[in-house]
Amino acid sequence: QSALTQPASVSGSLGQSITISCTGTTNDVGGFDYVSWYQHRPGTAPDLLLYGVTTRPSGVSNRFSGSKSGNTASLTISGLRAEDEATYYCSSYARSTHQVFGGGTKLTVL
Amino acid sequence: EEQLVQSGAEVKKPGESLKISCQRSRDVFLNYWLGWVRHTPDKGLEWMGIIFTGDSHTIYSPSFEGQVAMSVDRSTNTAYLHLASLKASDTAMYYCARQISRYGDYITWGQGTLVTVSS
Repeated sequence: QSALTQPASVSGSLGQSITISCTGTTNDVGGFDYVSWYQHRPGTAPDLLLYGVTTRPSGVSNRFSGSKSGNTASLTISGLRAEDEATYYCSSYARSTHQVFGGGTKLTVL
Repeated sequence: EEQLVQSGAEVKKPGESLKISCQRSRDVFLNYWLGWVRHTPDKGLEWMGIIFTGDSHTIYSPSFEGQVAMSVDRSTNTAYLHLASLKASDTAMYYCARQISRYGDYITWGQGTLVTVSS
């Protein structure tokens, strides 16, 4: 069982916005601002989309944004495109285990 | 552009050991945190641990401690992941990745090393 809880799947239509949640505890997501989000397409290595909850690395589209409230972090993708179809993972610094990933959310673009 | 280049795919039998390499392309060997992440279709991404290249300080995931070892060879800019007593359930893609900080923000990833464990 993954330490961080994500929905197994989400879907959205082209041009729409979707939000993926990532729920942990006060020992990880809720206790630290060290949440990262990754996009993982089949056959490729994951790509870092956000770190420090809200910071985008250079080159990442501003269609990707992050937030956090309590023990739940969220990734929002606006203006959905076909190429956004992928699996998205959150991760967080964790007090006891140092780092944990979520179980992943498969995004389908309709 | 920074790159992490991993060693090629491996096929092993149960009980065997394996060492995966991850070489950083840059000439200057700066001190940084490098992590190892396992991916399987069933479990997704799993954090295995990290190593600080400056002094080889390691932090292992409780899920992998005792089963893996991480090391660094500063003379060749190469990090290694040692996997011992392989089981069929260790069949996975293994990635190395460099962190921005020590808190899990993996900015640069290797291409992955596919490990297949089968009798």
